[in-house]
This record gives sequence, C-alpha cells and structure tokens, in this order.
Amino acid sequence: GEEVAQTPKHLVRGEGQKAKLYCAPIKGHSYVFWYQQVLKNEFKFLISFQNENVFDETGMPKERFSAKCLPNSPCSLEIQATKLEDSAVYFCASSQYKGMNTEAFFGQGTRLTVV
Amino acid sequence: GENVEQHPSTLSVQEGDSAVIKCTYSDSASNYFPWYKQELGKGPQLIIDIRSNVGEKKDQRIAVTLNKTAKHFSLHITETQPEDSAVYFCAASRYSGAGSYQLTFGKGTKLSVIP
Repeated sequence: GEEVAQTPKHLVRGEGQKAKLYCAPIKGHSYVFWYQQVLKNEFKFLISFQNENVFDETGMPKERFSAKCLPNSPCSLEIQATKLEDSAVYFCASSQYKGMNTEAFFGQGTRLTVV
Repeated sequence: GENVEQHPSTLSVQEGDSAVIKCTYSDSASNYFPWYKQELGKGPQLIIDIRSNVGEKKDQRIAVTLNKTAKHFSLHITETQPEDSAVYFCAASRYSGAGSYQLTFGKGTKLSVIP
C-alpha cells in the first residue's frame, strides 16, 4: 500500500497479559522500524528490520519484547507479560533505502494501555 | 550516544507571524536531520529534511538551516496558519555501529497558531 498500516489502533491489556501489534510497511520498502512514544512525547527506538532480518535491536528490552517481519505477512511486535510502564503509543515506520538516512514514513500508531 | 535537545517546548504565535524551533545534537557523526509534524492522535509526518552536506533547504513556507560546526539546526515556518498548530519534532540520524542508522528525536515543540 501507499501508507504504513498499523493495527489495532487501540489495545487494552491487563497487567501480565500478552500484547501483539502489527505493521504493514509501504509496498517496496525494505526497512521497517519500531518506535515507542511515551506520555511525554519522547520517542524511543526499539528495533529495525531489513526485510525479514533484524537490522538493529539495540533498543529492545530483551526480556519481554520480541518482533518479527516474515515474508508476505505484516511485521509484528509482541510484548509478553505486559507491565504498566509498557503503556505507550507504538509507531512503525518504513523506508526504501538503507537505515534512516532517507525518508521514513510513519504509521498512525497503536495505543497500548496496560491496566 | 546521540542526544538531541529541542527548544522551546511550547510556542504560541499570531497567525501570519513566523515560528522558529531550534535543536542541537551531540554526535558529530550525525548526517541526516528530518523534521516531523505530529497532529493529535496521528503519526509523525515528515515535513522537511536536510543532509549534512547542505546548509539550508526551503520548501514553500518551511525552511531548515544546519550549522554543522555548532551542531545545531532550526526549523523556520513563515506566514503561519492555524493548520500549522501541532507538535513538531526534530531528529538526528547517526550510524549506530550495528550496521544501521536510527533516529534520535528531540522532545517536541507544541506550536499553537492563534487566529
């Protein structure tokens, strides 16, 4: 498609439950990035992919967060055993060239609320 | 790591006046500086970007300047309109050492244009 599509738009989970977020990048874009935006507007880089390969996961909390980008499927970000501090808006972005040294297009985000 | 400081955090201007938002970065290896506009409930939208081999770039009412020596860059919006009201984020892209680039964002400036 012509825009980054994220689903669902809103997600509410009880503490300890699993949350799974999806992202369909723009067609033809080979790089996908996940960012977390917390209440004070701060963006935190989580992970990036080149096609189905993890490119950079230096921002990922290793214990409970995982992500995949499989061929012919939306990319996904999964949080096991959610905690209250996981409440945030999670944005996916895609770009056509290597890394972020080019235009990156963001989706509308998934607002995760952990109660 | 990279650190991006953004000022001011809030800015109110009269319709028709100019608005200037300033950012500084710490990593001299950063070479790509995009600006994003985020409206309420939406994802960041790229409005203009500049690369380190250019000192200034303009697109209609929006301009960005970059001073590599001082490590700061600025967004200028002229003839502001109410629809310019949003949160604006600057960002810097640096080589992470893991074979990829990742964006480091400023904390945002909430711009209000008063009719």
